[in-house]
Amino acid sequence: QSVLTQPPSVSGTPGQGVSISCSGDRSNIGKYVVNWYQQLPGTAPKLLISRNNQRPSGVPDRFSGSKSGTSASLAISGLQSEDEADYYCAAWDESLVGWVFGEGTKLTV
Amino acid sequence: EVQMVESGGGLVQPGGSLRLSCVGSGFTFGSYWMHWVRQAPGKGLEWVANMKQDGSEQFYVESVKGRFTVSRDNAKNSFYLQMNTLRADDTAVYYCARDNSGPDYWGQGTLVVVSS
Repeated sequence: QSVLTQPPSVSGTPGQGVSISCSGDRSNIGKYVVNWYQQLPGTAPKLLISRNNQRPSGVPDRFSGSKSGTSASLAISGLQSEDEADYYCAAWDESLVGWVFGEGTKLTV
Repeated sequence: EVQMVESGGGLVQPGGSLRLSCVGSGFTFGSYWMHWVRQAPGKGLEWVANMKQDGSEQFYVESVKGRFTVSRDNAKNSFYLQMNTLRADDTAVYYCARDNSGPDYWGQGTLVVVSS
């Protein structure tokens, strides 16, 4: 069981928007940046959002990240079928002295 | 183009050893921390270890401490994971990733299966 809590699954219809939450505590999200990763079926993870809300080059602006206190969120607007994937949050944890990932959220479009 | 290519995975018996390699290209390898992250079949991502640019610092997830060791050779743009005393629950795809406030660019992974 991870120290970062995500919902196991979310779903939406094409064109809609969804949000994925990531809940941590003061030793991780409360103090350090959060990254979000997208993992399409059968592929390696890809960085989607870095440093809480920064989109790497090439990531559509339909994806946005935010952080407040000990929680973070990934918002996806204008859902497309190709957004179907697993999404993971991650942060450094100073108590564990290592990086921690959320358990992952499966998005169904 | 930034790339990471892992190698060295395979089938190994419980208690055995394996050494994974990762070669980075398209960036100044010696300027970045590097990570190993694994994913057991059908499971989520688990961070395994990382190492500082000059190899002077490294951190490990608790479950591999004392069994796994990371190292790097910046002259060869290479990052390694020595895995000893392997257990069935170490079975996973192992990814190498560059660090930029967390893993950013990832390789395609190499599969390690621990089974008799």
